[in-house]
Amino acid sequence: GQQVMQIPQYQHVQEGEDFTTYCNSSTTLSNIQWYKQRPGGHPVFLIQLVKSGEVKKQKRLTFQFGEAKKNSSLHITATQTTDVGTYFCAGTGANNLFFGTGTRLTVIP
Amino acid sequence: DTGVSQNPRHKITKRGQNVTFRCDPISEHNRLYWYRQTLGQGPEFLTYFQNEAQLEKSRLLSDRFSAERPKGSFSTLEIQRTEQGDSAMYLCASSLAGNSPLHFGNGTRLTVT
Repeated sequence: GQQVMQIPQYQHVQEGEDFTTYCNSSTTLSNIQWYKQRPGGHPVFLIQLVKSGEVKKQKRLTFQFGEAKKNSSLHITATQTTDVGTYFCAGTGANNLFFGTGTRLTVIP
Repeated sequence: DTGVSQNPRHKITKRGQNVTFRCDPISEHNRLYWYRQTLGQGPEFLTYFQNEAQLEKSRLLSDRFSAERPKGSFSTLEIQRTEQGDSAMYLCASSLAGNSPLHFGNGTRLTVT
C-alpha cells in the first residue's frame, strides 16, 4: 500500500536555528500537501505542491517538491517558538490523502 | 465559515459497547473524510465520501466500523463492539472536490476501558 515516510521523527532546535523535515513516498504522487499540528490541536493546512521541482515560500518556510514527485521537504529558517508542533506531509493517492509519519519540532528558547 | 464540527469531543466507553460520532463539515464542501490518529502518529485514513457516496474505505478498517453520510451533509462513524485498541482520536475533515486542502475538525477522543 501507499506509504509516506518522514525524517527525522523528532527535532529539537535552539530558537533561531534552521529546521528541515524530509518526506519520501513509495509511489509517485500527483501532489503533496503539508500540514502543521500544534500540541493538542488538529492538523492545519499549510501549502500544496503540484509540479515537479516546484518550490514555494511562505515567509520563513520553504517547501520543495522533488523532480520525480516522490519526495518533498519543508525548511524553516530561523525558527521561533511559535513554530513548535508536528509537521506532516500528505500525498494524494487514488482519491484520498495519505499522511506521513510526521516530524515533531521542539524549539528551545 | 463555522468550520468542521465534531461531537462529542470526548467519549469514554467500556469494551464491547457501541459508539457513534458525528461530523458536520463546512457547508459547501462535498468531500468528507474520516481519519484516526494515535499518539505520536500521523492521521490514518479510514474512509471518505463524495456527497452521500462512500467512495473508499481503508482495508485496515474492520467490519465493526461503519460510516454514513445519508444526505451528503453531516456524517456519522459508528464503532460496534469496541475494543481497547480502538482508543484514539477520530478526526473528520472536509474539502471541495479533487485535491483541495483538508479542513479538520477538533476530533473526538475515544477511550475504551
